[in-house]
Amino acid sequence: AQSVSQHNHHVILSEAASLELGCNYSYGGTVNLFWYVQYPGQHLQLLLKYFSGDPLVKGIKGFEAEFIKSKFSFNLRKPSVQWSDTAEYFCAVILPSNNAGNMLTFGGGTRLMVKP
Amino acid sequence: EPEVTQTPSHQVTQMGQEVILRCVPISNHLYFYWYRQILGQKVEFLVSFYNNEISEKSEIFDDQFSVERPDGSNFTLKIRSTKLEDSAMYFCASSPPVRAPASNQPQHFGDGTRLSIL
Repeated sequence: AQSVSQHNHHVILSEAASLELGCNYSYGGTVNLFWYVQYPGQHLQLLLKYFSGDPLVKGIKGFEAEFIKSKFSFNLRKPSVQWSDTAEYFCAVILPSNNAGNMLTFGGGTRLMVKP
Repeated sequence: EPEVTQTPSHQVTQMGQEVILRCVPISNHLYFYWYRQILGQKVEFLVSFYNNEISEKSEIFDDQFSVERPDGSNFTLKIRSTKLEDSAMYFCASSPPVRAPASNQPQHFGDGTRLSIL
C-alpha cells in the first residue's frame, strides 16, 4: 500500500525566513500529488496540486512545490513566510491508475509556527 | 466561495449508541468522501461515494459504518454501535463532476465533526 511521509512534525520560523517542508511517497507508478493547509479552526484547503507537466507547481499565497520523480518527493516551499502562514500542512497522494474511489492518502502533517 | 458544511461540529455519544454525522457537499459536486483523524494520527480515508453507491472503502469502514445520500443535498455517515476507538474528527469532502479523471480534481473539505465516545 502507498504511504506518504512528512519528516518534519513541527517547524518554527521567524517571519521572512524561507520554508521548505518535506514530503516523500512510496509508490513507483503515476501519482497525483497535493498539498493542503489547515489554518487554526478552519477546514483543509488546497494549496496546490500536481498531475503532469512542469514539475514545479505554483499554488496560492506564494507557495510552490517541486515534484522530483527520482526522489519520490514533492517538497513545499515558500521564499518568505508570514505570521499568517502559521498552520498545519498536509501532503497527500492519489494513485489514479488503480484508484476508482479517488482515495487521498495523507502524510502525518507538519505544524508550522511563524514568529512575528 | 461555496463550502462543504458539516453538522454537528461536536457530537458526544455513549458507547454502543448509533450516531449520524451529516454533511452538505458543494451543490454541483458528484463525488463524496468521508475521512477521519484520530487525535495525533494521520487523516485516514474511510469511503468514497459516487452515483449513489460506494466506489471505494478502506479497512476501517466495516459493517458498523454506512453512508447514505438521502436526498439531493445531504450525505451522511452512520456508525451503528459506537466504540471508544471511534472517537475522532470526521471530515466530509466533495469533488466536482469532470470530463477528466476524477482523481485530478481536488477534494473540498468541510470543517469536520469532532466525535467523542464516552
